[in-house]
Amino acid sequence: TQLLEQSPQFLSIQEGENLTVYCNSSSVFSSLQWYRQEPGEGPVLLVTVVTGGEVKKLKRLTFQFGDARKDSSLHITAAQPGDTGLYLCADLGNQGGKLIFGQGTELSVKP
Amino acid sequence: NAGVTQTPKFQVLKTGQSMTLQCAQDMNHEYMSWYRQDPGMGLRLIHYSVGAGITDQGEVPNGYNVSRSTTEDFPLRLLSAAPSQTSVYFCASSRPSGGTDTQYFGPGTRLTVL
Repeated sequence: TQLLEQSPQFLSIQEGENLTVYCNSSSVFSSLQWYRQEPGEGPVLLVTVVTGGEVKKLKRLTFQFGDARKDSSLHITAAQPGDTGLYLCADLGNQGGKLIFGQGTELSVKP
Repeated sequence: NAGVTQTPKFQVLKTGQSMTLQCAQDMNHEYMSWYRQDPGMGLRLIHYSVGAGITDQGEVPNGYNVSRSTTEDFPLRLLSAAPSQTSVYFCASSRPSGGTDTQYFGPGTRLTVL
């Protein structure tokens, strides 16, 4: 059974700081997805990465996929209070509708 | 489009009671799934469906039943509620896209079993 480990589990920073969160898998990812979840809502997809070494940018968010496709990082530049939320990595797997999630990183950005 | 809708938003049950969590999507998606979210454990897959009439078990299926008679609806049934089923339940839907499927999640149902 594939296990996804995210670190850190909790992160509290001041507005304007940079941060990186990590996701490591016990086996090679099929396709890696990052989600953000705000309190009281469902997760929302941020990005999908498929190719080892791939880097994707979404405004102040930079996503990196490891060359061996077993790890990933999410870097946020100049964090804002609106970035507060739970960040989840997931493996899409080779059959739709069957995501495997990490336990999440809870980010709090204070003004 | 309403996207993925779930009802009820909150529910309190007593041990042994049964209930059905409703999920509907209006995007004509083939895939639908149910997850539960517990503190510190991310989301875990309960059951999923790749089309009307086809369902299969996920990681934590015990105590839950599903059926999919239409493309739009995917209800989750708790047969005899237990305190261990206290959780937040999310329904999701997606369309197969060759390994880049976007899952759309509903707003969740917060269930407490006393």
